[in-house]
Amino acid sequence: DAKTTQPTSMDCAEGRAANLPCNHSTISGNEYVYWYRQIHSQGPQYIIHGLKNNETNEMASLIITEDRKSSTLILPHATLRDTAVYYCIVRADYKLSFGAGTTVTVRA
Amino acid sequence: DTEVTQTPKHLVMGMTNKKSLKCEQHMGHRAMYWYKQKAKKPPELMFVYSYEKLSINESVPSRFSPECPNSSLLNLHLHALQPEDSALYLCASSQVRDRGAEQYFGPGTRLTVT
Repeated sequence: DAKTTQPTSMDCAEGRAANLPCNHSTISGNEYVYWYRQIHSQGPQYIIHGLKNNETNEMASLIITEDRKSSTLILPHATLRDTAVYYCIVRADYKLSFGAGTTVTVRA
Repeated sequence: DTEVTQTPKHLVMGMTNKKSLKCEQHMGHRAMYWYKQKAKKPPELMFVYSYEKLSINESVPSRFSPECPNSSLLNLHLHALQPEDSALYLCASSQVRDRGAEQYFGPGTRLTVT
């Protein structure tokens, strides 16, 4: 699977949009971009995934650049409950290979 | 409903004990997974079951023995574990074993080996 690069940590203000970047410059044409998050001591939670097009669901939006070498996860209105480790994963097959992720802290 | 349940929530066992972790899903998913997560590290894949058959073993030591009795249940049998096996054990499921199928995780079992 292609490697991803994410910031180690980010702070966000409650009520504002949180934009989480991810670089995946070696991504192949058939690899999906997945986002998960893990709130302390809980199991990872699926957020969203996409192949080429931008995607939106009730939790977030995923913006993938045209060359697919990077993506941004957008949480439209961050709340304190969004404080978590966010993982960007490039997936070619059955395997989810988690990296270190971005620790996002939402502050009041 | 995207719920995966795991029991027990916490488990303490000695190195000579035999114990089992249980995972259950009722979403009709045909792929199920075991992951291991050490403290302050990301989850790592251990096993993959597809249509109740073991399809992937990520070079896991034989003291961990998975079992899939039916399409809704996944067990992980533990025997002669070491203290370094203490970790959060996570179960996940997906519709099929495919890169386009999102995996849903359970809350995990926190295992301590003494």
